[in-house]
Amino acid sequence: SQQGEEDPQALSIQEGENATMNCSYKTSINNLQWYRQNSGRGLVHLILIRSNEREKHSGRLRVTLDTSKKSSSLLITASRAADTASYFCATDATDQGAQKLVFGQGTRLTINP
Amino acid sequence: NAGVTQTPKFQVLKTGQSMTLQCAQDMNHEYMSWYRQDPGMGLRLIHYSVGAGITDQGEVPNGYNVSRSTTEDFPLRLLSAAPSQTSVYFCASSSIYNTGVSSPLHFGNGTRLTVT
Repeated sequence: SQQGEEDPQALSIQEGENATMNCSYKTSINNLQWYRQNSGRGLVHLILIRSNEREKHSGRLRVTLDTSKKSSSLLITASRAADTASYFCATDATDQGAQKLVFGQGTRLTINP
Repeated sequence: NAGVTQTPKFQVLKTGQSMTLQCAQDMNHEYMSWYRQDPGMGLRLIHYSVGAGITDQGEVPNGYNVSRSTTEDFPLRLLSAAPSQTSVYFCASSSIYNTGVSSPLHFGNGTRLTVT
């Protein structure tokens, strides 16, 4: 069963604007990861946030985690055309053991020039 | 720096045929896994392995077999293909840093399989 659910399913913004995607999950987790998938390619890891962390930054990416609400958000600042891709959150539940990542359905992000 | 290599990239099978999807990684990763990606379903875990000689089932294992004879290779076998197995298949690997803590997955570029 799906653990993570992304919202919105699709997002279209102008280049230079910020993009925010949300992920909700159902059970206690060890960590939460975000991945990017360009069309026709495999997923690429973006950032990992552990359950005892609240916020993490990597370049133009900012991830927050609220374990009390079982939710996470991915913010991409100053978007570029190259950011056009699908974005997935993935979680590993504490009762499932390591590496049994469960992916959400993804958010399809389109950056318009 | 090859990373995770999957072959073939595309495959068309008839119902009942068998085939093996190949996956190889050159990063000496202990952990390898297979996912399938279907529209609106995200990625679902089929099988995984934490080292040579060790495999286990994921969320959707039925209809698929795996083996792990070496650290580098993790083939996925479809014994009797069905139209429901039409999907894009991804192999992924990672280095397990600590027991009980996931680490980032490295993905191949996928195999697009159509079963008619």
